[in-house]
Amino acid sequence: DAKTTQPPSMDCAEGRAANLPCNHSTISGNEYVYWYRQIHSQGPQYIIHGLKNNETNEMASLIITEDRKSSTLILPHATLRDTAVYYCIVRVVGNEKLTFGTGTRLTIIP
Amino acid sequence: GAGVSQSPRYKVAKRGQDVALRCDPISGHVSLFWYQQALGQGPEFLTYFQNEAQLDKSGLPSDRFFAERPEGSVSTLKIQRTQQEDSAVYLCASSLRTGREETQYFGPGTRLLVL
Repeated sequence: DAKTTQPPSMDCAEGRAANLPCNHSTISGNEYVYWYRQIHSQGPQYIIHGLKNNETNEMASLIITEDRKSSTLILPHATLRDTAVYYCIVRVVGNEKLTFGTGTRLTIIP
Repeated sequence: GAGVSQSPRYKVAKRGQDVALRCDPISGHVSLFWYQQALGQGPEFLTYFQNEAQLDKSGLPSDRFFAERPEGSVSTLKIQRTQQEDSAVYLCASSLRTGREETQYFGPGTRLLVL
């Protein structure tokens, strides 16, 4: 699986948009970008995924650059409950497993 | 509906003891995964089942680790002769089907502490 690089930690003010970057410069054309988050003492939770187009759901938006070498997860109006570790994962075709890195610890500041 | 459940939530074992961790996936989910998460790290893949067939066990760290899913639903991860380095959170996940777009749903994990 392609390697991903994320900042180890970020802060965001409550009510503002949280923008979490991810670098995946070795991604292949048929690999998807997935985002999961893990709130303290819970299992990881799926957020969103995409191949090359931008995606939006009720939780977040995913912006993938045209060359697909990086992406940004956007939480539009962060709340205290969004405090978690966010994992960016590149998933190779035919590979069922998820390969997690160390993620970004996002802290929402009241 | 019910999510993935795991039991026990916490387990303390003495070094050398055998332990069994249970996973109840979401009903009807074909795929089941086990991951191990050490303190401060992301989850690491252990093994994967499609129905009752164990298709990938490349992540199991040693032959002391054994997983089964005999009827294609509930799964058990067994660790024999536990060692201190086995202390971790063991996460189970399931997905409805196989395929690169399938979402994995995770349970809350079992926190194992080996003394």
